[in-house]
Amino acid sequence: GQQLNQSPQSMFIQEGEDVSMNCTSSSIFNTWLWYKQDPGEGPVLLIALYKAGELTSNGRLTAQFGITRKDSFLNISASIPSDVGIYFCAGHPRAYGKLTFGQGTILTVHP
Amino acid sequence: GAVVSQHPSRVICKSGTSVKIECRSLDFQATTMFWYRQFPKQSLMLMATSNEGSKATYEQGVEKDKFLINHASLTLSTLTVTSAHPEDSSFYICSARLAGTGDEQFFGPGTRLTVL
Repeated sequence: GQQLNQSPQSMFIQEGEDVSMNCTSSSIFNTWLWYKQDPGEGPVLLIALYKAGELTSNGRLTAQFGITRKDSFLNISASIPSDVGIYFCAGHPRAYGKLTFGQGTILTVHP
Repeated sequence: GAVVSQHPSRVICKSGTSVKIECRSLDFQATTMFWYRQFPKQSLMLMATSNEGSKATYEQGVEKDKFLINHASLTLSTLTVTSAHPEDSSFYICSARLAGTGDEQFFGPGTRLTVL
């Protein structure tokens, strides 16, 4: 099946710092999605990417669909305590298929 | 928009009983819903794909007689864990795909199942 490698596994940062995390796949992906999950809650969609090279922002969040279609990154600028949570990348190689999820990045922000 | 609800949010049951979890798309119609299972500090594991009006498609290793899925309407899918055992304790999350928006899936808040 499809494999998604997400890194880093965890990050401990100070409030105000920028954060970057990425995902790589073993094959070409058609879609990249980035989700955030708070403890005991379901994932919330942050950004959806559909075109190679696409760069999309959502407030302090920016994500890009890699030009090779095998990777994506998510940046968070000027982190705040409420950014704490688990961030997942997800995607799949064809339209309307089932999602493959990365292992998640646990983000901790110290005030 | 694109809100998905789940009920109950948490349930505790005795071993051997069956538990039903409901997943509803509140403000849109979802021809396809997905059921995931998540263990602590792990990623989401897809259990099955639920299509309205047809049988669910189960992932390899997921027992269809153990995890019964019904998708009787465009806004409701149910997952029934039959004859639950302690190893079935987990966080179950559903998602729904919004027709016409591509591959985006919107997730419910999850159901914490504890089997004693």
